[in-house]
Parts: sequence; C-alpha cells; structure tokens
Amino acid sequence: DAGITQSPRHKVTETGTPVTLRCHQTENHRYMYWYRQDPGHGLRLIHYSYGVKDTDKGEVSDGYSVSRSKTEDFLLTLESATSSQTSVYFCAIRDGTGVAYEQYFGPGTRLTVT
Amino acid sequence: SQQGEEDPQALSIQEGENATMNCSYKTSINNLQWYRQNSGRGLVHLILIRSNEREKHSGRLRVTLDTSKKSSSLLITASRAADTASYFCATTEAGGTSYGKLTFGQGTILTVHP
Repeated sequence: DAGITQSPRHKVTETGTPVTLRCHQTENHRYMYWYRQDPGHGLRLIHYSYGVKDTDKGEVSDGYSVSRSKTEDFLLTLESATSSQTSVYFCAIRDGTGVAYEQYFGPGTRLTVT
Repeated sequence: SQQGEEDPQALSIQEGENATMNCSYKTSINNLQWYRQNSGRGLVHLILIRSNEREKHSGRLRVTLDTSKKSSSLLITASRAADTASYFCATTEAGGTSYGKLTFGQGTILTVHP
C-alpha cells in the first residue's frame, strides 16, 4: 500500500465549516496528489505537490487549498465546505524518478457536507 | 472534461470468459496506465504502456495502444470472480513537466459471475 494513510476516513460536516484532510506517507516520495471521485466523473485532480512547499493547482482546485510543510504530509483544506464538495477524496504518491509514472493511492476519505 | 473515455461503462460476464475494455483519449500522451478499484477501496496500479509501445502483457492482462487512433484496450483473459471491480485508464500528457499528472477516464464496471 506504499505506506499511505488518510485521515479521517469518514467525515460529516455542515455547510460553511472548514475541513482539513490529511495524507501521510512513510516512504519519502517527492510527488503527492489529491483527487476527488464522483459518480460519472472518474477521478479528478485537485492539487498536487512536487516537493516541500511546492504545490500547484489541478483540474478542479476552486474551493480547495493545500499545504506541504514536510515531505510526509500533504494537507487538503476546504475553507468553507459546500454540498458540491461531498465526495470521496483520494491521496496518491509517485516515486520521484523521471520514468516512473505509476501512482499509489491511499484508502480514501468519504466526506459528506450537509 | 475527462481526457479518457471508457467503453463500455459496464460489463457483465461469466467466470472463465475474457473481458475487454476500451479507452479513448484526446491529446498526445507520454504513457497510458490502467488501474483497478475494488468497491470502497483506493485504486491499484495494473499496467503502464508507453507511447512508443503497441502491446504489453502482465499475467492475464494484455494492453494495446494505438496512438494514431488515440485509443487503448485492456483485455483480461480467463476472468475470475475476484476480477469484479471498476477499471480506469489514465494518461500522462506528452510534452509536460515531470510532475506526472494523470487524467482519468470515467471507468468501466466489470462484474464477473461465478
């Protein structure tokens, strides 16, 4: 499982509240990614990181921010949760070598915004 | 919009039969990958095929890539009930950085009946 954990695994929150999801890896991988998965949309990239303090936006970044202050943790924050952010969120990592493109996924966080 | 579109959206077969899933994409790619997702779990990497390869095998999996048609197929031979899962193709765009961002298709739900 590439040593990836996500917390919490399930969360129910109210509209307008801030939420932070955590992705933790134990194998010192350089690249980390946050995706959301919704029926009919597959997985869509929210943000990604290519090193400590180095992050960039993905396809669906509006309403989300990220931080990576150390290699092992990549945090995804919903500043003010909305019902459209109800989804399953997956973190993934990738080895840093130039030709290794396989990504390894965490178990997911199911977020419900009421 | 999704880079990869998969066909069929759902496939139901009997154990022992072969299962074929197709993926189409829109831009030039560096590589194409296939992932499996069991219900309620994270994605698991199955196989990667580079843009200069036409066919690749891994156990009971066979992947083909036709860059002129911007399409790929995943064949699972002698399917088993344990192959029941969702299957996703994902592409890495050519000419991009080494950040390895993936664009996923919407997936094919495979059900293998014992």
